[in-house]
Amino acid sequence: NAGVMQNPRHLVRRRGQEARLRCSPMKGHSHVYWYRQLPEEGLKFMVYLQKENIIDESGMPKERFSAEFPKEGPSILRIQQVVRGDSAAYFCASSPAGVNYGYTFGSGTRLTVV
Amino acid sequence: GESVGLHLPTLSVQEGDNSIINCAYSNSASDYFIWYKQESGKGPQFIIDIRSNMDKRQGQRVTVLLNKTVKHLSLQIAATQPGDSAVYFCAENRGSQGNLIFGKGTKLSVKP
Repeated sequence: NAGVMQNPRHLVRRRGQEARLRCSPMKGHSHVYWYRQLPEEGLKFMVYLQKENIIDESGMPKERFSAEFPKEGPSILRIQQVVRGDSAAYFCASSPAGVNYGYTFGSGTRLTVV
Repeated sequence: GESVGLHLPTLSVQEGDNSIINCAYSNSASDYFIWYKQESGKGPQFIIDIRSNMDKRQGQRVTVLLNKTVKHLSLQIAATQPGDSAVYFCAENRGSQGNLIFGKGTKLSVKP
């Protein structure tokens, strides 16, 4: 049973480009969460999705960031017109039924904006 | 404001000693707490969790203590090993919210 799969592991983008981060949840998990981690800091919640629905996006910046979890395929975190401040590690977690059950993290995507 | 924080940013222990990592939370509505271990370049790895109706929970070499009176959480690691070296985070969940609130982390270094 594969864990939460994130790709790419490392992503380099120039300022102004778009970044697309992918997350495939564990088999049987229909809840996906995205977090951002700056160096030497804890993870900050961004968005919580279920299939085809955004449940909570209270941690998402209002501009340039969007997330989706389509009926088929992985969840996508999209950052448009990236800036240097977007450089961080982005982690995805999945669970079968909310935060209190089997919440598992992927290995993250490390985004570097140059 | 509401926050989850750690008292010590770094902790250095001798191999074989016991380690204690502390965490404070400020919201009495939090009812679920988790400790994570994060090694360099990896995602957080679940260690142990505890619900607010418990004071103590034990796992393999780890114990989590919850003191609701002072809103304090601790992680005890028995017989610390070099493989325990990592950053440890506490995280809390508040009610039915779908997200975890993470503390800043404590870096544990184990000296052989």
